[in-house]
Amino acid sequence: KQEVTQIPAALSVPEGENLVLNCSFTDSAIYNLQWFRQDPGKGLTSLLLIQSSQREQTSGRLNASLDKSSGRSTLYIAASQPGDSATYLCAVNAGGTSYGKLTFGQGTILTVHP
Amino acid sequence: SQTIHQWPATLVQPVGSPLSLECTVEGTSNPNLYWYRQAAGRGLQLLFYSVGIGQISSEVPQNLSASRPQDRQFILSSKKLLLSDSGFYLCAWSVREGTQYFGPGTRLTVL
Repeated sequence: KQEVTQIPAALSVPEGENLVLNCSFTDSAIYNLQWFRQDPGKGLTSLLLIQSSQREQTSGRLNASLDKSSGRSTLYIAASQPGDSATYLCAVNAGGTSYGKLTFGQGTILTVHP
Repeated sequence: SQTIHQWPATLVQPVGSPLSLECTVEGTSNPNLYWYRQAAGRGLQLLFYSVGIGQISSEVPQNLSASRPQDRQFILSSKKLLLSDSGFYLCAWSVREGTQYFGPGTRLTVL
């Protein structure tokens, strides 16, 4: 059974700092991995999707990497801003007969203070 | 562009009452559809998924059920709610195993 762990559970940083969020998964046989952002009381916003054959994906100030063999992914946020404050979730898609089912980590709560 | 709707946004129901939550998707055809629940301290849990009309797969045993009467409509139901059914219910769609896009969610409180 796939298990996804996110470290740290919470992170508080000053504005402008570069930061790294970590995600690990137990079964390396994945199809893709997604990073999401969730604001309090809201749905999830997709940030980046990395296919199992890719090493990294970039979108603006966000960069996500994937090391499938070691079961790890990182989300790098450059020049953090107060608007980046949210819960960040990673989710693993096993693909195949799993029809796109995602297994989520518990999330990292990020606070960026001015 | 694609849009996903959920309603109601919030719901307060007594124990033992029925439930119907609706999710609709616009701007795509034959999407995979998903129901998730987010309970306090337990993370996101997949409840049901569907790859086509009338095709429903359940991930966890519970007193909830799902139906897909139309290509872009997904309904979550219960005949009798339990206290443990309280949570934040999220609907999502994807094209096969691609990026999943989530709706705004329904906050359900069972009293």
